[in-house]
Amino acid sequence: DARVTQTPRHKVTEMGQEVTMRCQPILGHNTVFWYRQTMMQGLELLAYFRNRAPLDDSGMPKDRFSAEMPDATLATLKIQPSEPRDSAVYFCASGTGGWKTQYFGPGTRLLVL
Amino acid sequence: GQQLNQSPQSMFIQEGEDVSMNCTSSSIFNTWLWYKQEPGEGPVLLIALYKAGELTSNGRLTAQFGITRKDSFLNISASIPSDVGIYFCAGLPLQGAQKLVFGQGTRLTINP
Repeated sequence: DARVTQTPRHKVTEMGQEVTMRCQPILGHNTVFWYRQTMMQGLELLAYFRNRAPLDDSGMPKDRFSAEMPDATLATLKIQPSEPRDSAVYFCASGTGGWKTQYFGPGTRLLVL
Repeated sequence: GQQLNQSPQSMFIQEGEDVSMNCTSSSIFNTWLWYKQEPGEGPVLLIALYKAGELTSNGRLTAQFGITRKDSFLNISASIPSDVGIYFCAGLPLQGAQKLVFGQGTRLTINP
């Protein structure tokens, strides 16, 4: 049963520290999405990639967030420096190109103190 | 940007009851998706809709693409305890940035 995996599942860090979240898309999927979920804002799209190339990262605060796909089996989302307002659950999803075919990972729950 | 208004925000029902929830917008959407999220997990796609007026079922779930293309509805018939979770609508707007927009979710609680 193929699944998107995300690590770590939970992260507690102090303000100012760098945070790196990793995602392994389902093998064969060529599209990767990063979402952030908070109580106040709900689910927000941060960025997405197709064939490892960034297609849209307009949802991401550019000054502190960066997203990359070093290879087809790994996507990373980095926050540097982290702030308390970054506390949220970050989801990665992968698919085969269309918006319908998104399979979400279990998320990384981030708490910035 | 486009926003989706999902209602109700929460529902408390008895097992066996039917459930209705909806999503509305002031903008036109050309795709509507309905997801369910359980605690500690990511959203899982339930139903996808692509045409105005389309009515699609998935077991006890039925969703409709509103005729105005500005709304969508999800119904769950004869609810069971495993239906508990948060249901999200999501839409792909016809105009503007081609990105999925999510509603705020409907939290469903079922009393056995």
